[in-house]
Amino acid sequence: DAGITQSPRHKVTETGTPVTLRCHQTENHRYMYWYRQDPGHGLRLIHYSYGVKDTDKGEVSDGYSVSRSKTEDFLLTLESATSSQTSVYFCAISGSGTSGPYEQYFGPGTRLTVT
Amino acid sequence: GQQLNQSPQSMFIQEGEDVSMNCTSSSIFNTWLWYKQDPGEGPVLLIALYKAGELTSNGRLTAQFGITRKDSFLNISASIPSDVGIYFCAGQNTGNQFYFGTGTSLTVIP
Repeated sequence: DAGITQSPRHKVTETGTPVTLRCHQTENHRYMYWYRQDPGHGLRLIHYSYGVKDTDKGEVSDGYSVSRSKTEDFLLTLESATSSQTSVYFCAISGSGTSGPYEQYFGPGTRLTVT
Repeated sequence: GQQLNQSPQSMFIQEGEDVSMNCTSSSIFNTWLWYKQDPGEGPVLLIALYKAGELTSNGRLTAQFGITRKDSFLNISASIPSDVGIYFCAGQNTGNQFYFGTGTSLTVIP
């Protein structure tokens, strides 16, 4: 168990509302990632962070923003949720602690439904 | 974005049989990872490979980092019902982004 929690685990929200998902790690890993997983698309990178306040866009970043004010927390915000953002969202970490530098560990996921 | 070609897409096997799956890329990777995902859960790291030609085992699982650095293989020996799930490969190059295969769904028939 890599010490990653995500909250909430499930959420239903309405189109147009802002939503924030939280990822918390206890492993002091440098890198943190947000992915979405959809049938037929596999895991796609939304945003990632390479340090506190250092973030970069991934493959599917439109409509999403992130923030990392502490090593242990990485927040994903859907600025104005749309039905196309209905998905399962996974947080992942890599890059220090007792694991190898390039091993990536995943959280349990957040299932988001936008109605 | 870059996606890895993973095959087969799905497998139905009898308990006790061996399983092989592979992942190929048009790009070179420095690291190959193999994950298993159960329904409703996050992917769990099974094996990490760091060097071309490397062969690594984890119990009944064996994975290899291809010599060309563009492919990797996962074998499961003597499958059991709890091996059921989706297996993903992932590759990492000089940056710190990871690229994923589309998964192999494994069903084990008792």
